[in-house]
Amino acid sequence: VIWMTQSPSLLSASTGDRVTISCRMSQGISSYLAWYQQKPGKAPELLIYAASTLQSGVPSRFSGSGSGTDFTLTISCLQSEDFATYYCQQYYSFPRTFGQGTKVEIK
Amino acid sequence: EVQLVESGGGLVQPGGSLRLSCAASGFTFSSYSMNWVRQAPGKGLEWVSYISSSSSTIYYADSVKGRFTISRDNAKNSLYLQMNSLRAEDTAVYYCARSRPLMDYWGQGTLVTVSS
Repeated sequence: VIWMTQSPSLLSASTGDRVTISCRMSQGISSYLAWYQQKPGKAPELLIYAASTLQSGVPSRFSGSGSGTDFTLTISCLQSEDFATYYCQQYYSFPRTFGQGTKVEIK
Repeated sequence: EVQLVESGGGLVQPGGSLRLSCAASGFTFSSYSMNWVRQAPGKGLEWVSYISSSSSTIYYADSVKGRFTISRDNAKNSLYLQMNSLRAEDTAVYYCARSRPLMDYWGQGTLVTVSS
C-alpha cells in the first residue's frame, strides 16, 4: 500500500493569495498523481493529472509539480470559487489511495 | 457530454445488502475501466473497487474484500456494486468514476446509510 501524507489539513487564506498544498508518498510513484477539487455536497472534480498536466477547462492559476515522492499543488491567485477541499491521489498501483484532504477556507 | 448517474442507495440494516448502479452515457463505456469511490460523512475519499473494461481485472479495498462485488454490463452501459454484510462503517456517499486510469469523470453519488 502506498501511503500519502497531505499537508496542511486546513489552510486559511484570502482572495488573491498564492497557496501551496503538499502531498508526500511513502514510495515513489513517478508522475502518476492527480489532484481533485471538491465543494460541499458535490462530487470531486479533476484538476491536474500526471502531476503537472492541467485538465481541460481548469484555470491556469492552478499548477502542479513534483515526481517520485513529493508533489505540490499551487493556486497562484486564489479566487472566491477556489475555496474548497483538495485531494491528491496516486494511480501508480492498487489499492488506489487519496491524501487526507486540504480544506482551503476564507481567512 | 460524459454523464455518470448512480442509483440504488438508501437505508439498510447492519448485515443487510444493497446493489448500487451507475448508468453511463456520452462515451464508449466498453472502452473504459471504472471505479467505485466512497466518502463517509465529513470524511475524505476512499477508493473501493476497480473493474477493467472487459471485466477481466478486478480489485477491491481490503475494507470491502469478500463483502462487495463489482460488475458491469457493457451492453447496458452500466456499472454495479453488490454490497453484502453491510456494516455501520460502510455508511457513505458512493461515487462511480471513469478510469483513464486516473479518475477523470465522477457521478453525483448515492448515499448508503447502514443503521438499525
